[in-house]
Amino acid sequence: QLQLQESGPGLVKPSEALSLTCTVSGGSISSTTYYWGWIRQSPWKGLEWLANIYYSGRTYYNLSLKSRLTIFADTSKNQFSLRLSSVTAADTAVYYCARQVLYDNSGSPGYFDLWGRGTLVTVSS
Amino acid sequence: DIQMTQSPSTLSASVGDRVAITCRASQSIDTWLAWYQQKPGKAPKLLIYKASSLESGVPSRFSGGGSGTEFTLTISSLQPDDFAIYYCQQYYNYWTFGQGTKVDVK
Repeated sequence: QLQLQESGPGLVKPSEALSLTCTVSGGSISSTTYYWGWIRQSPWKGLEWLANIYYSGRTYYNLSLKSRLTIFADTSKNQFSLRLSSVTAADTAVYYCARQVLYDNSGSPGYFDLWGRGTLVTVSS
Repeated sequence: DIQMTQSPSTLSASVGDRVAITCRASQSIDTWLAWYQQKPGKAPKLLIYKASSLESGVPSRFSGGGSGTEFTLTISSLQPDDFAIYYCQQYYNYWTFGQGTKVDVK
């Protein structure tokens, strides 16, 4: 059974960068069938998709956050990571990594069928 | 951005009730819609994809319908395990979620 596990600092200072890693076990992120994504959840914005990546390196970013986001993968470690720069208190949230199913013949990423347990990140000095 | 709006925000119901939650998209999304269930302290769990396809392992009391801009998640007979928050998510153009509908005890 494939599992995803987020890791990263629980506390980040304002203006610094947040880095999170998702380790995938029981399956390969090099699969041609899935994208791999990050979603966060906060009381003020609810569930918010951030970014996703395909084994080929193809990426999508939330346009409202694109200037601050980077997603990348390390297939040798079966991990993918997210970096969010210049954080503020508004970036305080639970961050989830998830597997995203391709939903049509064009290979477009669709719904999220498996999620990690989430990791709380607090931005505070 | 495609905005997703759920109604009601909170739904109070009893075990055995038939429950329906509505999700409206700000533009047509065909049937590219998923539904999730979330319990406190847990990640969302996929219930329905492509508006009406039941995810493997999800009880058949859950069903989804709709197309275009209006969608419905129905629970035919509410069970104690179903008290939770439900979210819709579109994947027609990027990926956005509704604000959630909390189903609580009447």
